[in-house]
Amino acid sequence: EAGVAQSPRYKIIEKRQSVAFWCNPISGHATLYWYQQILGQGPKLLIQFQNNGVVDDSQLPKDRFSAERLKGVDSTLKIQPAKLEDSAVYLCASSFGQGASEQFFGPGTRLTVL
Amino acid sequence: AQSVTQPDIHITVSEGASLELRCNYSYGATPYLFWYVQSPGQGLQLLLKYFSGDTLVQGIKGFEAEFKRSQSSFNLRKPSVHWSDAAEYFCAVGIIQGAQKLVFGQGTRLTINP
Repeated sequence: EAGVAQSPRYKIIEKRQSVAFWCNPISGHATLYWYQQILGQGPKLLIQFQNNGVVDDSQLPKDRFSAERLKGVDSTLKIQPAKLEDSAVYLCASSFGQGASEQFFGPGTRLTVL
Repeated sequence: AQSVTQPDIHITVSEGASLELRCNYSYGATPYLFWYVQSPGQGLQLLLKYFSGDTLVQGIKGFEAEFKRSQSSFNLRKPSVHWSDAAEYFCAVGIIQGAQKLVFGQGTRLTINP
């Protein structure tokens, strides 16, 4: 079974530029998560989708971050404009359904903002 | 608010020695508890989880963890570490809000001396 796919793996941009990350969850997984992991910290949930609807985006900085999950499968996370403090690893995870389903994580995208 | 504390930022043990990584949580209800491992450049891999029942949980790679409600702890243990266990370890509490939301600790970096 293929795992969670993410691209690109690495991205370097200058502040005020825009960037987008892509995630393809495990086939059949209804729930998709985006996490931000700053160096030296644990992952922090940014947004959670159930199919193509948002379940929780309470920690998403909506003035600069946006995310969508078209057709309830792939998802993109966008930052516009980027700030220095957005430098982090962005992790995508998926789970089969609701309740206490195990989350499976992708390898992440490492973003460096200069 | 829910939180997870991992008191040890960095631990060094010798190969073959025993290991215990500490985790304390704060959550008002019965927690769902997880331990994940992250190797450099990799996503998070689930080691083990506690939902209910037996408080001693067995996981992959020879790890186990014990849930102690009175101490709000979920410590991870391994009787004999291998060099390949060097990685970052994250404890997380799962909050069920429809789908599951994970709140992570800040992680413990494990170094193995030969």
